[in-house]
Amino acid sequence: EAGVTQFPSHSVIEKGQTVTLRCDPISGHDNLYWYRRVMGKEIKFLLHFVKESKQDESGMPNNRFLAERTGGTYSTLKVQPAELEDSGVYFCASSPGPRGEQYFGPGTRLTVT
Amino acid sequence: GDSVTQMEGPVTLSEEAFLTINCTYTATGYPSLFWYVQYPGEGLQLLLKATKADDKGSNKGFEATYRKETTSFHLEKGSVQVSDSAVYFCALSAGAGSYQLTFGKGTKLSVIP
Repeated sequence: EAGVTQFPSHSVIEKGQTVTLRCDPISGHDNLYWYRRVMGKEIKFLLHFVKESKQDESGMPNNRFLAERTGGTYSTLKVQPAELEDSGVYFCASSPGPRGEQYFGPGTRLTVT
Repeated sequence: GDSVTQMEGPVTLSEEAFLTINCTYTATGYPSLFWYVQYPGEGLQLLLKATKADDKGSNKGFEATYRKETTSFHLEKGSVQVSDSAVYFCALSAGAGSYQLTFGKGTKLSVIP
């Protein structure tokens, strides 16, 4: 069974540009989560999808971040326009149910210069 | 709000040494507690968990006991191996409708032969 995959593994962009991160959850997992780890800080929750619906987006930092989950399958996280403080590692996780173990992807390292 | 505090790293140990990584938490209610591990180049993997007070989670020789009286969930292993070198994250899930994970900052462990 394939695990959670994320693309790209690393992205370097300039301040003001747009970047889109993609997450493919484990097949059949209705729950999808986005997290972010800024250098030297904790991994922070961003949002939680149940199928295509946003269950909890309380961790989204501001309106420059837009998350979607098309048809309840893969998810994208767009940052537009990117700022320096957006640099970090973005993790995606999925689980079959809300209380189940969350399976994490390898993360996307975003560097904004 | 909920928070997790774990000992700062990095931690360097010789093979077969005893490992303790301290973790304390602040949360309302009765959270579930987790230890995740991230090996180099990989995503986070669930190492062990405990869902109620006095529960002991264990896996791969690692153990942690949910201590409600001290709000702690310290990770221990009696004899570490080089293959245990990784970053370890303590985390909690508050439950009660909130399924996001709240993480500590992570502790990098290096085990030398």
